[in-house]
Amino acid sequence: SQKIEQNSEALNIQEGKTATLTCNYTNYSPAYLQWYRQDPGRGPVFLLLIRENEKEKRKERLKVTFDTTLKQSLFHITASQPADSATYLCALGDHGGATNKLIFGTGTLLAVQP
Amino acid sequence: DTEVTQTPKHLVMGMTNKKSLKCEQHMGHRAMYWYKQKAKKPPELMFVYSYEKLSINESVPSRFSPECPNSSLLNLHLHALQPEDSALYLCASSLQAGQGNSPLHFGNGTRLTVT
Repeated sequence: SQKIEQNSEALNIQEGKTATLTCNYTNYSPAYLQWYRQDPGRGPVFLLLIRENEKEKRKERLKVTFDTTLKQSLFHITASQPADSATYLCALGDHGGATNKLIFGTGTLLAVQP
Repeated sequence: DTEVTQTPKHLVMGMTNKKSLKCEQHMGHRAMYWYKQKAKKPPELMFVYSYEKLSINESVPSRFSPECPNSSLLNLHLHALQPEDSALYLCASSLQAGQGNSPLHFGNGTRLTVT
């Protein structure tokens, strides 16, 4: 069955360091991979989308890589700040169409210590 | 604040009650979704509407009944729920129905407690 796993339940890092979050998938060939941020009691907020033919995408302090051979995406936050503390979710999608689904990974709770 | 508005924010209902969750977006999105999220778990897809027609039902029990009156509104009617249905119910919308290449815009959810 399809499985999407994200690294560890929680990741603690020091302010100013780079946070690296992992998303691994099995039995799946996604055309797109998305990353979302979710704060407690709120809905997920879209951050970045990367396509299967893209190796890397950047947006301000965020960087996403997508390796379809390793079946893995890495999500980096550089110069991390306490305000970056949240749960980060990866989500995988197919090529599109009304019957295709976006499947969310298990999520990683990031805590940035001042 | 998000561009997808959900009401109510909190709802407590008994197992014999009938209630409805409401969702509204004015971004011109043509796809709308209901997700269920339990504590410390990822969102799980329940229903997808594309151009106001139900396109995906993830084998959701009939005590949950979705409705899409128009392209801006999405309702979830609840009847005879069980305590295990207590969760955060999230509404989302996207420009297109093909989810993979279209980011989802989520509301902040309705926290439902079934007693």
